[in-house]
Amino acid sequence: EVQLVESGGGLVQPGGSLRLSCAASGFTFSSYVMSWVRQARGKGLEWVSGISGSGTSTYYADSVKGRFTISRDNYQNTLYLEMNSLRGEDTAVYYCAKHPGDYASGLDPWGQGTLVTVSS
Amino acid sequence: SYELTQPPSVSVSPGQTASITCSGDKLGEKYACWYQQKSGQSPVLVIFRDSKRPSGIPERFSGSNSGNTATLTISGTQAMDEADYYCQAWDSSTVVFGGGTKLTVL
Repeated sequence: EVQLVESGGGLVQPGGSLRLSCAASGFTFSSYVMSWVRQARGKGLEWVSGISGSGTSTYYADSVKGRFTISRDNYQNTLYLEMNSLRGEDTAVYYCAKHPGDYASGLDPWGQGTLVTVSS
Repeated sequence: SYELTQPPSVSVSPGQTASITCSGDKLGEKYACWYQQKSGQSPVLVIFRDSKRPSGIPERFSGSNSGNTATLTISGTQAMDEADYYCQAWDSSTVVFGGGTKLTVL
């Protein structure tokens, strides 16, 4: 069974940093593109970042470019999101998700999410 | 940047057909996916590649995509289908989501 388990969320002050992790199991992790998607309370889904299976290609939403860094450890089957210069508008539940195939295949499954709160 | 537009809410009576639209410039030339998110839960993929259902998704869920509009159709809507639904497409190596539609079954 494919499982994605996020961790690392918490309360951080504006301007601070946080690193999220997503532990993957049940599939050959290095073969799949992975993404981070966030959702502010009561709001819609916002794609944050994606990374190729090898980790050599990374993609970012304009709202986080230059502040967030996505990476992966294919030996530890773990996806990361390093978040710097955090702002109040970054407060959200952060989900990791697997791209099961090509760009037409969607994101499936999703983890349970980890809450990031940026506040003083 | 590319935008996808959904109606904020749709209401349907139990047993009837619900249609949720998603509009975007030349969306029909891209592939659309749909996600269901029930209250307090993570999103679940219900349609990919415009009209394909992942295993485990009931046959009452179907999708289409043409022109500037993708449509998610739920036939014989059940109370358990009440949820938020999001469309999604790719554009320039980025994932784009619609704003979401709250489906109310009443």
